[in-house]
Amino acid sequence: SYVLTQPPSVSVAPGKTARITCGGNNIGSKSVHWYQQKPGQAPVLVIYYDSDRPSGIPERFSGSNSGNTATLTISRVEAGDEADYYCQVWDSSSDPVFGGGTQLTVL
Amino acid sequence: QITLKESGPTLVKPTQTLTLTCTFSGFSLSTSGVGVGWIRQPPGKALEWLALIYWDDDKRYSPSLKSRLTITKDTSKNQVVLTMTNMDPVDTATYYCAHRRAGGPTPFDYWGQGTLVTVSS
Repeated sequence: SYVLTQPPSVSVAPGKTARITCGGNNIGSKSVHWYQQKPGQAPVLVIYYDSDRPSGIPERFSGSNSGNTATLTISRVEAGDEADYYCQVWDSSSDPVFGGGTQLTVL
Repeated sequence: QITLKESGPTLVKPTQTLTLTCTFSGFSLSTSGVGVGWIRQPPGKALEWLALIYWDDDKRYSPSLKSRLTITKDTSKNQVVLTMTNMDPVDTATYYCAHRRAGGPTPFDYWGQGTLVTVSS
């Protein structure tokens, strides 16, 4: 089965740029979706199809995908961006696969 | 506006069967390509996909849990039901249902608030 690997944690100072990676075999050939989950809340879609933003998601959130790594980039990080972030793809069986999640800490 | 809401027991005993209902609005599960999935999250752990049902009654299950899961839909009631047999304390988790729109490798774009299920005697 397809495996997505995320770093358990990423820390960043306010105003700086956070980059959260999602590794998978030739993930660049797949469409990657990213979800933000704040404590006690349901996940919220923040990036879909590698780099598209749903309405209401700030332009500070962007995504890229190439080779074996997809990246969620959050520019000008704010305290309110502190959350867990999950990547997701569809595997060759057309089943969804989630990464293990990355906890973003704003210092 | 699409909304989903999970309902079901908050506490089940080991070996019992869990039945959860996802009641939704703002879309129809008879629309071509649309799906509803169940995803769970044990406390402090990652999201885990469980099952998915599509507009045409195509059903998909997590390979690791397939023998314990059944997903059904009632289009007239706008509901999707998940049953999980032989519950164990490790199944303690928040269970979410989510909408998947039609057209290619689409994301889960709308999620329910989740329901916490505790498995304990």
